[in-house]
Parts: sequence; structure tokens; C-alpha cells
Amino acid sequence: AQSVSQHNHHVILSEAASLELGCNYSYGGTVNLFWYVQYPGQHLQLLLKYFSGDPLVKGIKGFEAEFIKSKFSFNLRKPSVQWSDTAEYFCAVNSHAGNMLTFGGGTRLMVKP
Amino acid sequence: KAGVTQTPRYLIKTRGQQVTLSCSPISGHRSVSWYQQTPGQGLQFLFEYFSETQRNKGNFPGRFSGRQFSNSRSEMNVSTLELGDSALYLCASSNGGTQETQYFGPGTRLLVL
Repeated sequence: AQSVSQHNHHVILSEAASLELGCNYSYGGTVNLFWYVQYPGQHLQLLLKYFSGDPLVKGIKGFEAEFIKSKFSFNLRKPSVQWSDTAEYFCAVNSHAGNMLTFGGGTRLMVKP
Repeated sequence: KAGVTQTPRYLIKTRGQQVTLSCSPISGHRSVSWYQQTPGQGLQFLFEYFSETQRNKGNFPGRFSGRQFSNSRSEMNVSTLELGDSALYLCASSNGGTQETQYFGPGTRLLVL
């Protein structure tokens, strides 16, 4: 069975700091990779996704992620965070064998103004 | 296009009762997946329906069931409710292919007393 690990459970940053959230998955086959964000009181929204091709993908609001196949990783980055980025971030994996997402435990990000 | 809608948004039940939650996917989407979100277990996949057939199933007891109608709307049912079933139940829809993004609804928050 596939699993997803997000190593940082809580992250506190000041505005303008750089962000990197780790995500590792365990699955030997071809995968689709996603980062979702859940702002306070709102539903899960897609930040970015990787299906194939260029391993560096760009998403909304200045976020990007890099797929490193050899490390089974899909880390999320943002060069300069804003207070409005305060949210919970989820990494998710979907194997080509089925249309079902396996989520990491989530990372709560708090950005101090 | 309208997003994924879920009804009701909030529900309070007592132990032993049963509950039915409803999900209307984005127009044109044929796959509906259900997830349970709790503080302790995070986001867990329940099941996926595609063209009125259950295509994937997670590791939940048989008390959790679902169905999908010809218009792709889906319902999930939980029978003999337990305190531990208190959670946010999320529905997601997609076109149903192997490289697809799932779009989430706002969820139904169920409290079991």
C-alpha cells in the first residue's frame, strides 16, 4: 500500500521568509502527485500537480514543487511567504492503478505579519 | 462551472442512528470519491464511484456504503453510527481518467453524540 509522509507538522514563519515543505511517498510505480491547501474555514483547493514531464511544476500563488523520483519526494516551495498563506497544506499521491488519493498528515503553516 | 456541492453542511446524530450524505459533482464529471477527515487520522479515502459502479474502496467497515446515480450525483450512508464517526466528510469529483485532478467540495461535518 502506498503511504505519504509530511515531516513538518507545524511551521511558523515570518512574512517574506522562504518556505519548503517536505513530502515523501512510498510507491514503486508511476504516480500522480498533488499539493492541496486548506485555508481556515475553506475547502481543499489544488495548489499544483505533477503527472509527467518537467519535474519542476509551478502552481497558483507563487508556489512550486519539484519531483525527485530517486528520492520519492515532491517538496513544496515558495520564495517569499505572505500572511495570507497561513493554512494547512497536504501532499497527496494517486497511483495510476486507481483514482484514489493517499494524503500525508498535513502541515499547518502560520505566517506572522 | 459550479463547484462540488455537498448537503447537508452540518449534521448532529446520536450513536446507533444512520446518516446519508449527498454530493453533486462538477457538471460533466463522472467520478465521485469520498474521504473522511479527522484530527487523529487525517484524510482517508473511503470509496470512489464511476458510472454508477464502485471502482475503488478504502479500509473502512461495511457500515460505510455509497452509491452513484445516473446523473453522477452520489450519496454515502453510514449505519449504526459510532462516536468515532464524527468527522468532516469530503466529496471530490473528477473526469475519472488516470491522470485527473480531483476537486473537493466544502464537506459535511458530522457530529455523533
